Parts: sequence; structure tokens; C-alpha cells
Amino acid sequence: GAGVSQSPRYKVAKRGQDVALRCDPISGHVSLFWYQQALGQGPEFLTYFQNEAQLDKSGLPSDRFFAERPEGSVSTLKIQRTQQEDSAVYLCASSSRISGNTIYFGEGSWLTVV
Amino acid sequence: DQQVKQNSPSLSVQEGRISILNCDYTNSMFDYFLWYKKYPAEGPTFLISISSIKDKNEDGRFTVFLNKSAKHLSLHIVPSQPGDSAVYFCAASAAGNKLTFGGGTRVLVKP
Repeated sequence: GAGVSQSPRYKVAKRGQDVALRCDPISGHVSLFWYQQALGQGPEFLTYFQNEAQLDKSGLPSDRFFAERPEGSVSTLKIQRTQQEDSAVYLCASSSRISGNTIYFGEGSWLTVV
Repeated sequence: DQQVKQNSPSLSVQEGRISILNCDYTNSMFDYFLWYKKYPAEGPTFLISISSIKDKNEDGRFTVFLNKSAKHLSLHIVPSQPGDSAVYFCAASAAGNKLTFGGGTRVLVKP
């Protein structure tokens, strides 16, 4: 597709449920980023992939968060045993440069944990 | 420790006038700066960027100024249009790494 595609757009999960969020980056983009945006705040970095290699996962808030990009294209962000504080918009972004200077975002996956 | 700060949470401006959005940073390793615009229920859209080797970059109605000594950048929108009403985020990166975002400034352009 022309842009970064994320699914689902909206997800309501019961506390304790596992969720999986999918990101399909712009074709050919080697760099892929996941960000978390809480209401009224700026996006916060979660993790970064260059092709299939996860080069930085320093922003993942706990070991309940896991991301993968096994074939260097589509990525999945998994949150296990969701908690209310996980409620946020999860933004995926991709870049055509290895350096990732300018990144392009998808529309986000809105997660609400009840 | 917020490395990128946007101290004005909101800004209201009359259509046709100039909008000035400010952003301060603390990390002297940042060498690339960007502005993103975000409408409700959409992802951030890239607007304009500037490398640390420059002090100004212009693209149509949008100009970004960088003052490295003050660790300050600003975005000027001239003239402001109602469609510019959105939340604007500044972001910075070091050596092409991940972006660090400010908290955003909500701009309202009144017709």
C-alpha cells in the first residue's frame, strides 16, 4: 500500500487479555518503529527494527510487551496480560533510510483496556 | 527527564496571521529535528525537518528555525489557515536514531 497500515484500528480488551497489533510498513522501508501515545501526550518510543533485527527495545515498558518482525516487513506488537495503564494509541512508523531520519506513521491502533 | 519540551499546550490565532510554535531540547547530541502535525483519530503526518547544520528551512507556508546555542527550535506558519488547526509535535533524533517527541501544541485557527 501507499502508506503504513495498522490493524486493528480499535481494540477493546478485558484486563488480563492478550492483544496483538499488526503493522504493515511502506513497501521497501527497512526501518520500523513502534510508539505508544497516551492521551494528551506525545508519542513515546517503544522499539525499533532494521529489517528483521530488533536493534532497540529500550522503550518497552515491561516484559509483557513483545514485538517481532520475522521477515523484515510486517511487524506485530504483542501485549500480554493487558492492564488498564496499557490503554493508549500504538503507532507504527517506517522509514526508507537505515538512519531513520524522517519516519512516516500509520493511523494507529487505539487500545482500551477495561 | 523530558529531552524535548513544548511549553505551550495550546495556541489560538486568527486566520491569515502568523502561528509560532516553540520547542526546547536538552540533549546536545540531537542533530535532526522534525515537526509533525496530527489531526484527531489520525497518525502524525510529517511536516518539515531541519538538520543541525542549518538554521532555517522553508517549505511553502512553513518555516522551521533552529537555534543550536539556545537548544531551541520554532515553527512558523504564515499565513495560518483554518485547516492548520491540529496538534503539532516537534521531534528530535541523534545520529539517525529513534525520534524523541515533545508533548504537543494544539493550534486553533479562527476564521
